[in-house]
Amino acid sequence: AQSVTQPDIHITVSEGASLELRCNYSYGATPYLFWYVQSPGQGLQLLLKYFSGDTLVQGIKGFEAEFKRSQSSFNLRKPSVHWSDAAEYFCAVGDDSNYQLIWGAGTKLIIKP
Amino acid sequence: DTAVSQTPKYLVTQMGNDKSIKCEQNLGHDTMYWYKQDSKKFLKIMFSYNNKELIINETVPNRFSPKSPDKAHLNLHINSLELGDSAVYFCASSQGGFYNSPLHFGNGTRLTVT
Repeated sequence: AQSVTQPDIHITVSEGASLELRCNYSYGATPYLFWYVQSPGQGLQLLLKYFSGDTLVQGIKGFEAEFKRSQSSFNLRKPSVHWSDAAEYFCAVGDDSNYQLIWGAGTKLIIKP
Repeated sequence: DTAVSQTPKYLVTQMGNDKSIKCEQNLGHDTMYWYKQDSKKFLKIMFSYNNKELIINETVPNRFSPKSPDKAHLNLHINSLELGDSAVYFCASSQGGFYNSPLHFGNGTRLTVT
């Protein structure tokens, strides 16, 4: 069965430092890849998506992600985090072979002042 | 303008009661969903409607019944509430298939069953 792994339950980063959140998936074909952010008490908001084409995608709020087929990864990055980036981040993978959207368990980002 | 709005934001009730959560989207999307997020933040799809037709009905107790009066609304009715139903319930919408289209989420309804 397809799966999505976000290895880090939580990550602590100092404000202004760079960030990388990991996402690995198991799926044979090229999947549809998403990153969502959930701020406290809010619903999820799409940060970026990858369907095809350039493997480096830009999203909102200064985030980017890179699809690496050889590593089955879609890691999220930001060069300099702000305190407002503190949130839960979810990776999701769409599978068009059985019409599923599979969610990772989320990574909680904590920002140190 | 709120794109996906759900009410109420908080719902505290006792075991055995029946309650409803309402959802409306003004994005013109043709597909709407209910998701359940447990205390560990794990997201699980419950139902999906496309153009008022039920297309996904995951393994959910039949105490949960969705109703879609039109494309812009998807309500969730829960009978005989149990302690294990306590969670945050999210409504979402998309244009087209849910596995290959971005989802737009409401802000959630936190249900607490005592």
